Amino acid sequence: EDQVTQSPEALRLQEGESSSLNCSYTVSGLRGLFWYRQDPGKGPEFLFTLYSAGEEKEKERLKATLTKKESFLHITAPKPEDSATYLCAVTGGSYIPTFGRGTSLIVHP
Amino acid sequence: DGGITQSPKYLFRKEGQNVTLSCEQNLNHDAMYWYRQDPGQGLRLIYYSQIVNDFQKGDIAEGYSVSREKKESFPLTVTSAQKNPTAFYLCASRNGQSWEQYFGPGTRLTVT
Repeated sequence: EDQVTQSPEALRLQEGESSSLNCSYTVSGLRGLFWYRQDPGKGPEFLFTLYSAGEEKEKERLKATLTKKESFLHITAPKPEDSATYLCAVTGGSYIPTFGRGTSLIVHP
Repeated sequence: DGGITQSPKYLFRKEGQNVTLSCEQNLNHDAMYWYRQDPGQGLRLIYYSQIVNDFQKGDIAEGYSVSREKKESFPLTVTSAQKNPTAFYLCASRNGQSWEQYFGPGTRLTVT
């Protein structure tokens, strides 16, 4: 059974204070690891797909990295508009995504 | 604009009534999914469909039903058999060439 654990559950940062969110996973036959951003009361918005260990992707202040056991979402110099819940998911040999519970990020001005 | 639409945004029903949530996509995606999201929990898969006229149960299908008569549409019916139907429901789709999903805006269902 595929499993995804995200930590921390909640994170409070000051504007400009860089940090990382963790996504630990176990999966049989990784087809992709995904990061999504979800604002309150809205559907998740796709951010990144990572396919293999060592891969990195960047978008504005966000950078996602992948190892064989975990992924990190690095947030550099965050702004209040980066406040959201960040979801991690994996799809493996079952072809069905498994989601973590998310990390709620609040960035204070 | 291509995307996924869900309607309505908010839905209120009395206990014992069936209710159908709409999901439409114009992305030409083959696969469509229904998830339920509760506070403090990850997204839980209710049903998914890889192709028209075919669908499979997810982890929490009891009390729900779906149909996939058209590629663009994947409606979800929450039946009176669903014990705790109050939740935020999300529809998603995926094209055949990649694994990431694209989500609709969600429907918040409240049953009293």
